[in-house]
Amino acid sequence: DAKTTQPPSMDCAEGRAANLPCNHSTISGNEYVYWYRQIHSQGPQYIIHGLKNNETNEMASLIITEDRKSSTLILPHATLRDTAVYYCIVRVGRGGSNYKLTFGKGTLLTVNP
Amino acid sequence: DARVTQTPRHKVTEMGQEVTMRCQPILGHNTVFWYRQTMMQGLELLAYFRNRAPLDDSGMPKDRFSAEMPDATLATLKIQPSEPRDSAVYFCASGLPIAPISYNEQFFGPGTRLTVL
Repeated sequence: DAKTTQPPSMDCAEGRAANLPCNHSTISGNEYVYWYRQIHSQGPQYIIHGLKNNETNEMASLIITEDRKSSTLILPHATLRDTAVYYCIVRVGRGGSNYKLTFGKGTLLTVNP
Repeated sequence: DARVTQTPRHKVTEMGQEVTMRCQPILGHNTVFWYRQTMMQGLELLAYFRNRAPLDDSGMPKDRFSAEMPDATLATLKIQPSEPRDSAVYFCASGLPIAPISYNEQFFGPGTRLTVL
């Protein structure tokens, strides 16, 4: 699976959009971008995933650049409860032995009042 | 609200003792994962099962760790004998991969915080 690079930490004001970047310059054509987050003392939680089109769900939006070498997770209106470590993971979308997730160090997002 | 459950939530034990952690995956999920999280190493995959059969346990120290699924509703991770370096939070996750669709969400439990003295 492709390696990802994320900033170790970011701050965001409550109510503002949080934009979390992820670089995955070695991504292959059949690899998807997944985002998970881990709130303190909890298990990781799935947020969103995409291949090449932008995606949106009730939690966030995912913007993937046209060359797919980077992506941005957007939390449109960050709340204090969004303070967490956010993991960007790139992996092949099929099942079987490629179903496991490899977590990096992620980005600690702190939402400030 | 379907959730992965793990027991115990906290465990303190002495070096050399046997530790057993249990996980109940979400009903209907056929894939179960065990992860370990430490400050130094972050989140690491130890092993995972599909339809109760082990698919990959390459991340697990074989001499002291063992993982099993006695039935579809129970996964266990056992450490015998435990050592202080095993102190970590152990997460179980479950999922239902639907091929060929990419949707591969994993649902994580709350974790078992293990302290080995």
